[in-house]
Amino acid sequence: DQQVKQNSPSLSVQEGRISILNCDYTNSMFDYFLWYKKYPAEGPTFLISISSIKDKNEDGRFTVFLNKSAKHLSLHIVPSQPGDSAVYFCAASSGTYKYIFGTGTRLKVLA
Amino acid sequence: GAVVSQHPSRVICKSGTSVKIECRSLDFQATTMFWYRQFPKKSLMLMATSNEGSKATYEQGVEKDKFLINHASLTLSTLTVTSAHPEDSSFYICSARDRGRGGNNQPQHFGDGTRLSIL
Repeated sequence: DQQVKQNSPSLSVQEGRISILNCDYTNSMFDYFLWYKKYPAEGPTFLISISSIKDKNEDGRFTVFLNKSAKHLSLHIVPSQPGDSAVYFCAASSGTYKYIFGTGTRLKVLA
Repeated sequence: GAVVSQHPSRVICKSGTSVKIECRSLDFQATTMFWYRQFPKKSLMLMATSNEGSKATYEQGVEKDKFLINHASLTLSTLTVTSAHPEDSSFYICSARDRGRGGNNQPQHFGDGTRLSIL
């Protein structure tokens, strides 16, 4: 039972354009969502998070949007840079410290 | 800040060997650390939650006697894969939360993982 899903295994975007990574979840009890970025042979690096009481959180080039009614969140990266090329994982938790991760989306930003 | 160090980064050993992996929070204290396992092209799967000074909490389907966890201090948790076999080969990653920063909504910070290969 995959409670957190990232349906796009990969995404290619031209440098300077917007990257949009999507994540869907099934558990309505999730109240905290995060995005992590992962390079090969390294651990995930925290990017940005959002609480369920908000629908948007912005940090520099990164914005996370949460649509609770659709059980959907997205990560927008604007403008995309070649250094953003990595695997992006969304994660969700429900009032505990346990995270449920999606399967990841590999982003490739083309120069 | 919030650096988590994991050691070793790679282990190759024979079947039947026990392997210990260390996870340290370098610049913060962590009452809770987490151990994940990642299969190729799969998500990170939580194996267990390591609690300082008490027993670890294992996820369903994870063998406690196979994956021994010790969290002896606020900055160190260890995972020992006992009598490892080829099916235990995987990428193991630990994470930790900063104890000093209150509230549930603090992100976990991850180590760089350990690639375990059992021959």
